[in-house]
Amino acid sequence: AQSVSQHNHHVILSEAASLELGCNYSYGGTVNLFWYVQYPGQHLQLLLKYFSGDPLVKGIKGFEAEFIKSKFSFNLRKPSVQWSDTAEYFCAASNNAGNMLTFGGGTRLMVKP
Amino acid sequence: GAVVSQHPSRVICKSGTSVKIECRSLDFQATTMFWYRQFPKQSLMLMATSNEGSKATYEQGVEKDKFLINHASLTLSTLTVTSAHPEDSSFYICSALGQGAHGYTFGSGTRLTVV
Repeated sequence: AQSVSQHNHHVILSEAASLELGCNYSYGGTVNLFWYVQYPGQHLQLLLKYFSGDPLVKGIKGFEAEFIKSKFSFNLRKPSVQWSDTAEYFCAASNNAGNMLTFGGGTRLMVKP
Repeated sequence: GAVVSQHPSRVICKSGTSVKIECRSLDFQATTMFWYRQFPKQSLMLMATSNEGSKATYEQGVEKDKFLINHASLTLSTLTVTSAHPEDSSFYICSALGQGAHGYTFGSGTRLTVV
């Protein structure tokens, strides 16, 4: 069965700390991977996506993610977080046809000023 | 934990018919529901935001008469695709926010195919 796992449910960091949020997937065939962010009271926004090519993907707001096929992982990273990064982060995966999208359970990040 | 049940998971309908997709929050009250759509090879697109008891707010370019959203109770929101056409074939997913929920909770999605 297709699944996406985010093992960290809550993460608390101080400003300027480095961030890495884990995402592991279980998918047959070619997989497309996404990271979304949802700020309090707002809808989802796409941070970055991976379809093919360079496994290190750079997104908006200084975020990046690395697709490691051997580990079935697509971890999200940011070298130095800001208070404004406080939000909920979702990893998602779909097959190459984009037929179904599976979300991880989300990670709530709180950045303390 | 918070669960949103979305049905059906897959549906095939004939062109010109209507299809209703339901999202139910099972153990919390969903004060706000987001409805998204995903086209192949693209990211999610927000269609509309609905708050319980009031009219949905649609994003620019989304036809409100075609995609009817009802959020009549704190545990149920529905999206009805009226007079469906093949170009409406897509993946639709809801996300709920409410009191007692752990942030935002997604439904499992609905794959709509219009033939």
